[in-house]
Amino acid sequence: DAKTTQPTSMDCAEGRAANLPCNHSTISGNEYVYWYRQIHSQGPQYIIHGLKNNETNEMASLIITEDRKSSTLILPHATLRDTAVYYCIVRVNDYKLSFGAGTTVTVRA
Amino acid sequence: NAGVTQTPKFQVLKTGQSMTLQCAQDMNHEYMSWYRQDPGMGLRLIHYSVGAGITDQGEVPNGYNVSRSTTEDFPLRLLSAAPSQTSVYFCASRPAGAGELFFGEGSRLTVL
Repeated sequence: DAKTTQPTSMDCAEGRAANLPCNHSTISGNEYVYWYRQIHSQGPQYIIHGLKNNETNEMASLIITEDRKSSTLILPHATLRDTAVYYCIVRVNDYKLSFGAGTTVTVRA
Repeated sequence: NAGVTQTPKFQVLKTGQSMTLQCAQDMNHEYMSWYRQDPGMGLRLIHYSVGAGITDQGEVPNGYNVSRSTTEDFPLRLLSAAPSQTSVYFCASRPAGAGELFFGEGSRLTVL
């Protein structure tokens, strides 16, 4: 699987958009980009995934650059409950999903 | 639906003891997996299964055994616990094909 690079931590103001970057410069053409988050010590929660096109769901938007070497997860209106560790994962098959250290996002009132 | 259920939530073992972490899902998912998470780190894959009767090793399989006799259950066995196995263990499942993983709430294991 392609290696991903994320900032260790970032702060965000409540009500503002949170933009979480992820670099995956060695991504292959058939590898999807997945985002999960982990709130405190709970089990990780799926957020969104994409291959080439930008994606949006009720939780977030995923913007993937044209060369697919990086992506950005956008939380449009961050709330205190969005404070969590966010994981960017690139995988080619269904069986092995590797989580790095992720980005610790702190939403401040 | 209960989703993915893990038991026990907390367990303390002595070195050399054995135990089984239970995982059950009621979503008829074919794929199930076990991860461990150590402090300040991401999740590492221990074992996974793509269907009943089929299991395979992940990134850190040593010291753990699994079996998959039914679609619903995927127990993780520690035959001789070691302090290095102190961790939080997560079970996950998903249907066949690409898609999101559904995680349990975790089992916190301490080996003294």
